[in-house]
Amino acid sequence: AQKVTQAQTEISVVEKEDVTLDCVYETRDTTYYLFWYKQPPSGELVFLIRRNSFDEQNEISGRYSWNFQKSTSSFNFTITASQVVDSAVYFCALSEAGTNAGKSTFGDGTTLTVKP
Amino acid sequence: NAGVTQTPKFQVLKTGQSMTLQCAQDMNHNSMYWYRQDPGMGLRLIYYSASEGTTDKGEVPNGYNVSRLNKREFSLRLESAAPSQTSVYFCASRGIFSSNQPQHFGDGTRLSIL
Repeated sequence: AQKVTQAQTEISVVEKEDVTLDCVYETRDTTYYLFWYKQPPSGELVFLIRRNSFDEQNEISGRYSWNFQKSTSSFNFTITASQVVDSAVYFCALSEAGTNAGKSTFGDGTTLTVKP
Repeated sequence: NAGVTQTPKFQVLKTGQSMTLQCAQDMNHNSMYWYRQDPGMGLRLIYYSASEGTTDKGEVPNGYNVSRLNKREFSLRLESAAPSQTSVYFCASRGIFSSNQPQHFGDGTRLSIL
C-alpha cells in the first residue's frame, strides 16, 4: 500500500529564513509520481510541482526547490528566503502507476507559519 | 476561467438530514474525485469517477453516494448526515485517469453537522 509521511506537523520561521519541508513515501511500484500542493489560509489547493520516479534531478523555481532522493524515499521541499505569503499548509502526495493508478495518497500536511 | 466549481461553500445540517454537494468542471477533464479533509489530516478519497459513466469507492466511502451526471458534473450525496461527517469537502478533476497528472481542486465545501 502506498503511504506518505510528513513528520513535521507545524513549522514556524521568521521572514527571510530558509525552511525545508520533509516528505517520505512508501510504495512497491517502480513507476510513481510525487506532487506538492499548497493550501493557503483561503483554503484552496494549488498544485506546485510533479516529479516522476525516473527523474531524480532536483528542481528550482524561484525561491522554491525540490530534492528527490529515491535511495531514502524522500521528496523534500525547500523555500529560500521565506516570505509571509508562504504561510500555508503544504501537502505531499503520491500516485502509483500500477494497481492504484489514477488515485493519489496525501500526507497529513505541514503547516508553515512565516512571521514578519 | 472557473476550473472546478463547488456549491455550496458552507452548509449546516442537522443529524439525519440529507444533502447533495455539487461539483462541476469546465476543463473537459475525464476523471473527477471527492475528498474530505479533517483538521490536521490530509485529504482522504471518498469516491472517484475515472471517466463519464463510472464511479468507484475510495478510502472512506461509507455514508456517501455519488453520481457522475455527465462529463462536467460529479455530485456527492449524504443520505443521513452524521456529526462524524463534519468536514471540508473538496472536489477535484484530472485530465485523464492517469497518475502523472496533477489534480485541479475546487475551493471546498465546509459542512457542519449538528
